[in-house]
Amino acid sequence: NAGVMQNPRHLVRRRGQEARLRCSPMKGHSHVYWYRQLPEEGLKFMVYLQKENIIDESGMPKERFSAEFPKEGPSILRIQQVVRGDSAAYFCASSPQDRSDGYTFGSGTRLTVV
Amino acid sequence: KNQVEQSPQSLIILEGKNCTLQCNYTVSPFSNLRWYKQDTGRGPVSLTIMTFSENTKSNGRYTATLDADTKQSSLHITASQLSDSASYICVVSGDYGQNFVFGPGTRLSVLP
Repeated sequence: NAGVMQNPRHLVRRRGQEARLRCSPMKGHSHVYWYRQLPEEGLKFMVYLQKENIIDESGMPKERFSAEFPKEGPSILRIQQVVRGDSAAYFCASSPQDRSDGYTFGSGTRLTVV
Repeated sequence: KNQVEQSPQSLIILEGKNCTLQCNYTVSPFSNLRWYKQDTGRGPVSLTIMTFSENTKSNGRYTATLDADTKQSSLHITASQLSDSASYICVVSGDYGQNFVFGPGTRLSVLP
């Protein structure tokens, strides 16, 4: 069991470019959650998805950010026209049921916007 | 407003010493409380999960306590090791397991 896999581990983008962050949940997990962690701050919830459905996106910025979890393949967090303030660590977690035991985090993607 | 507060913000101790980290919350209704350890540059790793009826739970040198009446939890680390240097995050879940509320974390540094 490889755990929650996130890639890339580090991503550098110039202002105005697009960033795509990928998350493959643990085997048997169908619930995926994305979090953002700014330097020296706690994790902030962004979005909760199940296969082909967005369950809760209350933490997502209204513009430029989108997330999907297709029937096949990893979950994708997409940030369009990145700005310096988007620089952060983005963590994905997965669980077999809604926020149940077995809730496991990935190692994160560190996005740097230059 | 659902909030989780942690203290101290940071802590420095010598290897081998014990320490206690605090977590206060206002999340209601309460479902469970989790403590996570987050090493620098890594994702959080679960240490303990406690429900309303549990007062204490141990995981090796880590012991968590919960007082649901006062809405307080503590994480006690015994005989600290250099590898305990990390951020410790308290996470409270309300609404029948939904809506995780994360605390800001306590940054622990264990020095030789």
